[in-house]
Amino acid sequence: GQQLNQSPQSMFIQEGEDVSMNCTSSSIFNTWLWYKQDPGEGPVLLIALYKAGELTSNGRLTAQFGITRKDSFLNISASIPSDVGIYFCAGYTGANSKLTFGKGITLSVRP
Amino acid sequence: ETGVTQTPRHLVMGMTNKKSLKCEQHLGHNAMYWYKQSAKKPLELMFVYSLEERVENNSVPSRFSPECPNSSHLFLHLHTLQPEDSALYLCASSQDSTAAQYFGPGTRLTVL
Repeated sequence: GQQLNQSPQSMFIQEGEDVSMNCTSSSIFNTWLWYKQDPGEGPVLLIALYKAGELTSNGRLTAQFGITRKDSFLNISASIPSDVGIYFCAGYTGANSKLTFGKGITLSVRP
Repeated sequence: ETGVTQTPRHLVMGMTNKKSLKCEQHLGHNAMYWYKQSAKKPLELMFVYSLEERVENNSVPSRFSPECPNSSHLFLHLHTLQPEDSALYLCASSQDSTAAQYFGPGTRLTVL
């Protein structure tokens, strides 16, 4: 089935460090989305990617749509304490498909 | 108000109560969604509405009843819930059914 794999489940970094997360699948996706969720809140859309090879930035965040269309990467540069949260990847495999979510990566930032 | 709003933010109800969750989107989108998020589980899609018509009912028990009176509003009517229904209920909207979804802040539901 269509599954999105995110690992590890948790990441711990020092404030100021860069961090990279990836999301992989055995299926081809034609849209990739990255969300951040704070405790008790809804996921917030960070970046949307619609074309293979696309590289998009949003402030300190950069995401890429993998050329194989089976993976995507999210990079956070110069991390700050408010980057703490759960980062989900999500994607559509095609028209009339449901949005598939990864299980998320919990990011902790040590001051 | 901007984006997607949900009320109430917190709800505690007994198993015999009837309550409703409300979602409103101010983005001019045509599709709206209900999701359930339980602790340590992936987001579970419950219902999808596109142009006010229900297009997806993801095997959700009948004690959950959605209503979409227009493209901006979505309700989830709850009755005779079970304790295992306690979760964060999230509403989302998108321009169409394959576009990026924007989520509301959620309703934290506790069933006693």
